[in-house]
Amino acid sequence: KAGVTQTPRYLIKTRGQQVTLSCSPISGHRSVSWYQQTPGQGLQFLFEYFSETQRNKGNFPGRFSGRQFSNSRSEMNVSTLELGDSALYLCASSFAVGSSYEQYFGPGTRLTVT
Amino acid sequence: AQSVSQHNHHVILSEAASLELGCNYSYGGTVNLFWYVQYPGQHLQLLLKYFSGDPLVKGIKGFEAEFIKSKFSFNLRKPSVQWSDTAEYFCAVTTDSGGYQKVTFGTGTKLQVIP
Repeated sequence: KAGVTQTPRYLIKTRGQQVTLSCSPISGHRSVSWYQQTPGQGLQFLFEYFSETQRNKGNFPGRFSGRQFSNSRSEMNVSTLELGDSALYLCASSFAVGSSYEQYFGPGTRLTVT
Repeated sequence: AQSVSQHNHHVILSEAASLELGCNYSYGGTVNLFWYVQYPGQHLQLLLKYFSGDPLVKGIKGFEAEFIKSKFSFNLRKPSVQWSDTAEYFCAVTTDSGGYQKVTFGTGTKLQVIP
């Protein structure tokens, strides 16, 4: 079974630009979560989508948004990029059956904002 | 709001030393507990998990963790570390939030094992 894939793997943008990251979950997984990983901050939860609906959201500004498509693929968008947005963005998928909330992570997209 | 604390941010051990990484959470209800590991240049992957039953759970690569409900802790242990255990370790907690699981991660502990 193919794992979680994320594209692109690396991205360099300048301040003020916007960026879209993509995540394809494991086949059959309907839940997709996004995290921002930075040194010292660990994994900061951005949001979770399940069946095309956002059902949980972290404490990030409105510049961070996402969506999920009918095939469970998800995209994350960051508008008006700031230097502090430089991070590894991780996507995780889950089958989310009952309490068995084991997440499978993708390799991440390394975003550098200059 | 639930939170997860990993008090050790950076741990350095010699090979064959014993390991214990602390994880404490704040939540009064039922929790599911996880330890994830991120080896250098690799994906985050699940090390072990606790849902119910025996509070001592065993994971991959000789790791184990003990859930102590009275202490709100889920510490990770390994009797004898190897150089290949050098990685960053994350504790995570999920709680029921209106019918689905809400996940909170700790800030991670970087383990460096010296040969």
